[in-house]
This record gives sequence, structure tokens and C-alpha cells, in this order.
Amino acid sequence: AQSVTQLGSHVSVSEGALVLLRCNYSSSVPPYLFWYVQYPNQGLQLLLKYTSAATLVKGINGFEAEFKKSETSFHLTKPSAHMSDAAEYFCAVYGSSNTGKLIFGQGTTLQVKP
Amino acid sequence: DADVTQTPRNRITKTGKRIMLECSQTKGHDRMYWYRQDPGLGLRLIYYSFDVKDINKGEISDGYSVSRQAQAKFSLSLESAIPNQTALYFCATGTGSREQYFGPGTRLTVT
Repeated sequence: AQSVTQLGSHVSVSEGALVLLRCNYSSSVPPYLFWYVQYPNQGLQLLLKYTSAATLVKGINGFEAEFKKSETSFHLTKPSAHMSDAAEYFCAVYGSSNTGKLIFGQGTTLQVKP
Repeated sequence: DADVTQTPRNRITKTGKRIMLECSQTKGHDRMYWYRQDPGLGLRLIYYSFDVKDINKGEISDGYSVSRQAQAKFSLSLESAIPNQTALYFCATGTGSREQYFGPGTRLTVT
């Protein structure tokens, strides 16, 4: 069965610093992986997705993620944090074609300090 | 206009009351989902539907029911609300391409 673990429920960085949000997955089949962002009082917005085409995936707002099969990881990065990046971030893996559901990690809240 | 809308956005209700949360979409997607979000637990699937005649239970369906009135409408009901159903509820749509598109959420408080 597929599962997702996000390391660190809270991450704090200074404005302009590197953002690194960690995600490890477990999957018995080649995974489809996603990062979503949730701004306060809003729904989830798709940041980027990995669908096996390329291991380095670029998303919106300057975020990118690298799929590393050997490490079963799909960490999210951004070279320079902006105040507007403060939000909750969710990593998800596609569960199965039978359900079409996404399996979500616990979420990581990103705080950006001025 | 938003592609996935949810009503109401906020609701406070009392224990034992019946409540319905509604979801509509204009994306033309066949698949629709209801998730529940609790702090520290991420999102968990309540029910999903691949078309109007196809309704399936998710991992936490107890105490909930759904109705797919049309391709574009998927409602979630709590027949007799209880306090531990206090949560943020999200509707989502999807296609065979696997990503899902979420509505803005409904914050439900059961007192």
C-alpha cells in the first residue's frame, strides 16, 4: 500500500533563504507524486506533479521537486523564500487506479520570517 | 468563477442535527471526492464517485453519506452530527490524469 511521510510539521526560514520541505513515500508501483499548497482559509492548490517524465519537476511560484527513487523521496525546494510562501504544504501519492484517491502526508507548515 | 465551489463555507451545528454540504464543479470531470482535514492528519478520503451511478466508500465513511445528483454535483451528508466530526471538509474533482482539483473547503463545527 502507498503511504507518504512528511518530515517536520513546522519549518521556519528567513526571507531569502532556501526552502526545503521533505517528503518520503512508500509505493509498490511506480508512483505518481504531488505537492499541494494551502494558503490560510483556502483550498489546496496544485504546486507540481511527478508522473515519471522527468525526475526534476518545476512547479508554480518558483518551487521544484526532485524524485529520487533510491531514497524514495520527493523533497520540495525553493531557492529563495518569500513572505507570500507562508502556508501549509502537503505531499501526496496517487493511491490506485481503483479508487483514484490521493494519499496525503500530514502536512508541513512553512513560516517565513522577515 | 471558481471551478469547484462548496456551500456553505462555514457552518456551526448542534449534536444530532442533520447537515448537508454541497459541491459543484464546472470542470467537466467525471470523478468527485470528499475529504476531511484534521490538524496533523492531512486529508482523509470519506467517499468518492467515478460517475453518477458509481459511489464508493473511502477510509472514513462511517457517519457520512453522499449523493451524486449530476455529473457536476456531489453532496455530503452527516445524518446525525457529532462533535468529532468537527473538521474542514474538501470536495475535489479529478480525471484519469490523476491530479485533483480542490474546492475552497467547508469549516464545520459541531457543538
